[in-house]
Amino acid sequence: NAGVTQTPKFQVLKTGQSMTLQCAQDMNHEYMSWYRQDPGMGLRLIHYSVGAGITDQGEVPNGYNVSRSTTEDFPLRLLSAAPSQTSVYFCASSKQQNQPQHFGDGTRLSIL
Amino acid sequence: SQKIEQNSEALNIQEGKTATLTCNYTNYSPAYLQWYRQDPGRGPVFLLLIRENEKEKRKERLKVTFDTTLKQSLFHITASQPADSATYLCAPAASGGSYIPTFGRGTSLIVHP
Repeated sequence: NAGVTQTPKFQVLKTGQSMTLQCAQDMNHEYMSWYRQDPGMGLRLIHYSVGAGITDQGEVPNGYNVSRSTTEDFPLRLLSAAPSQTSVYFCASSKQQNQPQHFGDGTRLSIL
Repeated sequence: SQKIEQNSEALNIQEGKTATLTCNYTNYSPAYLQWYRQDPGRGPVFLLLIRENEKEKRKERLKVTFDTTLKQSLFHITASQPADSATYLCAPAASGGSYIPTFGRGTSLIVHP
């Protein structure tokens, strides 16, 4: 039982490049979410999904896309990376959105 | 707008003492509030959840209170140990709409041997 797995753990991109951050959970959780964590800012919600085929925007969705084709996977896509997107990204899942979340260990992303 | 306040300064205490961390919120009424622990380089780990109709919740050495009148939650660690050193995040969730929690910035706790 791996919990929430995020890949890659570290990534450096150049401005304008695109990439996908992967997130997978093996707990059959319906609710999944993506956060970014910046110094002094706390965790901010980017996008979330209440089940396969359903996604919605969080607090800071601009510049990011998500899809949820399966219960297990919830990838986050950066369309055209910008230095302002340098951050640590966390994926989380829970049985339902009003229940405690399980977090992955994050992807540390630097945009040059 | 909704606002969550946690002490930005680190809390330093001696081993064996009780640590008390504060979470204040404004401009909304949470249906429940969660506390998480985060270690450097790791994702947050869930500790406790308390609902708006509960005054207090306990789990081993941990205790959480929830005062909806003061708009405040207190998180206590009794008989603290150096291994309790971490950042603690509070995350209230509003009853209206999606019940999605909003995270505070966290308070760093340092327990000295």
